Amino acid sequence: QQQVKQSPQSLIVQKGGIPIINCAYENTAFDYFPWYQQFPGKGPALLIAIRPDVSEKKEGRFTISFNKSAKQFSLHIMDSQPGDSATYFCAASITGSGGSNYKLTFGKGTLLTVNP
Amino acid sequence: DTAVSQTPKYLVTQMGNDKSIKCEQNLGHDTMYWYKQDSKKFLKIMFSYNNKELIINETVPNRFSPKSPDKAHLNLHINSLELGDSAVYFCASSPLGPLSGNTIYFGEGSWLTVV
Repeated sequence: QQQVKQSPQSLIVQKGGIPIINCAYENTAFDYFPWYQQFPGKGPALLIAIRPDVSEKKEGRFTISFNKSAKQFSLHIMDSQPGDSATYFCAASITGSGGSNYKLTFGKGTLLTVNP
Repeated sequence: DTAVSQTPKYLVTQMGNDKSIKCEQNLGHDTMYWYKQDSKKFLKIMFSYNNKELIINETVPNRFSPKSPDKAHLNLHINSLELGDSAVYFCASSPLGPLSGNTIYFGEGSWLTVV
């Protein structure tokens, strides 16, 4: 059972474009939704995260939009650059005490290519 | 300073062998993890430890045995390696607490190839 579904699998945009990556989740207990960025040969690194009490969060050129009723969230990259080319993972977890606090459930990743 | 370091970075070994991957974090975090990334880049948690105590074992075969000598170290030992074990194994850590938001810091990965 895949609890976090991510699309598209891959995405190619031109420099300056606005790639959008979408994720949908099933478990309504999830209350923390981070995005991780992974460059080839490196480990994933936290990019930006949101909690369901807000509908949008911006950090620099990266924006998360969150729709609690639809159980969907998305990552937008404004003015994308070739250096943004990487694999992006959405994830979800349940904060709070107990074993569920200790893991992130990841989407399957989106390979983004930004052409010069 | 490397926050989460794991060794070796690359490991090529034959089926049936036993191998270990070591991990250390200098972030002062209480929780450590092992994640597996397959050839399709899917990331899946294997184990989670909190202060040397096993919290999560995500239905990983018994051939995989994590060991945490202290909260800064989490090693992974794999017995009787199989072809399907070929993957990238990521060690990670995070601070403890319900408000921590589970920000997880990953190492650079250990590329295991079983031939």
